[in-house]
Amino acid sequence: EIVLTQSPDFQSVTPKEKVTITCRASQSIGSSLHWYQQKPDQSPKLLIKFASQSISGVPSRFSGSGSGTDFTLTINGLEAEDAATYFCHQSGSLPWTFGQGTKVEIK
Amino acid sequence: QITLKESGPMVVKPTQTLTLTCTFSGFSLSTSRVGVAWIRQPPGKALEWLALIYWDNSKRYSPSVKTRVTITKDTSKNQVVLTMTSMDPVDTGTYYCAHFFIQYYDSSGYPQGAVDIWGQGTGITVSS
Repeated sequence: EIVLTQSPDFQSVTPKEKVTITCRASQSIGSSLHWYQQKPDQSPKLLIKFASQSISGVPSRFSGSGSGTDFTLTINGLEAEDAATYFCHQSGSLPWTFGQGTKVEIK
Repeated sequence: QITLKESGPMVVKPTQTLTLTCTFSGFSLSTSRVGVAWIRQPPGKALEWLALIYWDNSKRYSPSVKTRVTITKDTSKNQVVLTMTSMDPVDTGTYYCAHFFIQYYDSSGYPQGAVDIWGQGTGITVSS
């Protein structure tokens, strides 16, 4: 099973700041890494697929990069509505697995 | 517009069998490359994938629940059903069904796609 480890677990950020969340896979998964945003009492929302592919309707301040075992989600210019928990997810091999989540709080 | 909605009991007793239904619209599970996954989330914890069914009725299960879980589809009703036996309090959490589309096949022939649309989730409590 591929283990995904996110860092940090928690981040408190001022609006307009840049946020960087990393996800490290225990073995190579190519580009089969996706990012989700989950707000309290809501279901996850797909932000980025296949490491760096943008999703229609998702603000352009969200971007992704990486391949193999190291991946990054970047939020350029955090907005108040971005307060949420962010998860990475790999579909490169079964069983699918998820990172433990990174909670982003607005200062 | 793709939507999915989970339904089932809110509370089940330990050792009982849980049956959850995912009713969806906006796509057909007879369309090539389409799938539906079940994923759960214990309170305050990370997401955990449980099972996946593809348009061709092929199925995949997480090893952690493989002996307890069955996934089936009824294409005519636009439904996917998940059954989980021998429920335990550790199975408490929110259960989601989600749409999946195979974007490509990798060099090993393994289907690659992203779970793109999730249902609202249904909370399940396992308690006597």
